[in-house]
Amino acid sequence: QVQLVESGGGLVKPGGSLRLSCAASGFTFSDYYMTWIRQAPGKGLEWLSYISSGSYYTNYADSVKARFTISRDNANNSLYLQMNSLRVEDTAVYYCARQDYMDVWGKGTTVTVSS
Amino acid sequence: EIVLTQSPDFQSVTPKERVTFTCRASQSIGSRLHWYQQKPDQSPKLLIKYASQSLSGVPSRFSGSGSGTDFTLTINGLEAEDAATYYCHQSSSLPFTFGPGTKVDIK
Repeated sequence: QVQLVESGGGLVKPGGSLRLSCAASGFTFSDYYMTWIRQAPGKGLEWLSYISSGSYYTNYADSVKARFTISRDNANNSLYLQMNSLRVEDTAVYYCARQDYMDVWGKGTTVTVSS
Repeated sequence: EIVLTQSPDFQSVTPKERVTFTCRASQSIGSRLHWYQQKPDQSPKLLIKYASQSLSGVPSRFSGSGSGTDFTLTINGLEAEDAATYYCHQSSSLPFTFGPGTKVDIK
């Protein structure tokens, strides 16, 4: 079935880096734009980044621009989010989702930034 | 950046009641407005795409309307399982944005 599975979350110190992965299955990954979203504890959803099907186009929320980088490997049906210069306020559950209107979501991976 | 405002913030509703939530955009977004339901400890689920398009597998009691800057999500005959937070999201202008959500509690 159509599925997205995030991984790579964990505990990291402020200023550190982390790379999240999202494994896609059950659909032709290379046909779809992909999106990263996050949700801080007890807060609402925050759109983070977006990549076109062929990686030609990316876009970021101001809150993560120049710190986070989205990428994808269509040969391996995988989406990535490289997170650098992490801050305490980046603590959240990170979700990947399919398409700009996010019809399929993963279960999320938790990132905790704390000293 | 387009700002989405949702109202109310919280609503306590009786089962079988008809419920309406609104989402207002700070500028016109056409019909590129989508609605999601998130239950506690679950991922969000797409309910309505492009303002009014229903989705396979979503109960028919959920419907959406609106265009431009004002949008509505309606639940006709609320059920206990509809207790959740409902978010609107625009994909008209980058960076895309979410509304703050409306939390629905069942009386």
